[in-house]
Amino acid sequence: SQQGEEDPQALSIQEGENATMNCSYKTSINNLQWYRQNSGRGLVHLILIRSNEREKHSGRLRVTLDTSKKSSSLLITASRAADTASYFCATFTGDTGRRALTFGSGTRLQVQP
Amino acid sequence: AAGVIQSPRHLIKEKRETATLKCYPIPRHDTVYWYQQGPGQDPQFLISFYEKMQSDKGSIPDRFSAQQFSDYHSELNMSSLELGDSALYFCASSLLSTYNEQFFGPGTRLTVL
Repeated sequence: SQQGEEDPQALSIQEGENATMNCSYKTSINNLQWYRQNSGRGLVHLILIRSNEREKHSGRLRVTLDTSKKSSSLLITASRAADTASYFCATFTGDTGRRALTFGSGTRLQVQP
Repeated sequence: AAGVIQSPRHLIKEKRETATLKCYPIPRHDTVYWYQQGPGQDPQFLISFYEKMQSDKGSIPDRFSAQQFSDYHSELNMSSLELGDSALYFCASSLLSTYNEQFFGPGTRLTVL
């Protein structure tokens, strides 16, 4: 990945447990987004956190952002088997002419029923 | 709600052939992006269009070209296909004013034999 790494690369947990995934990036950003991808399928937008925000919640998702450490975490609480997927962080710099997302390398989450 | 439409969903080509992938963005979205995702890889940005003009270029090979038409649909043209071009190709669309939350299509799986 050009932007950074996600940690862990793979995570296996039991249903009902919490899953935490971390993401690091290298450049200054306008916002950071998390996406989910089921195997071989499209990417689904989960949540966006702006650079001036530190924490955001959406349902069972909690995202934190630490711009001083250039890192973010995604917490999925009370996981379900249906949460099994790959999770990617993606950064948007907001630079003029640079309107694309830069993705991290992803975490493969397996939730055992 | 209308989503991003991509066609075809699957495409099989021989080496040195050409391929054309199509993308129909969400109505009223002003920006279209193309990404390539190799097996087990994170999505890599190829090219984007804002209001039908090319706005940004990523790691798009010279053998590839893209354009956006007056009805806002976009096409990715790939020539002299190589085995390494086998990948999932995603189109995404967004409203630039929404800080680039992107909506992805289901992808086209290209296999080059």
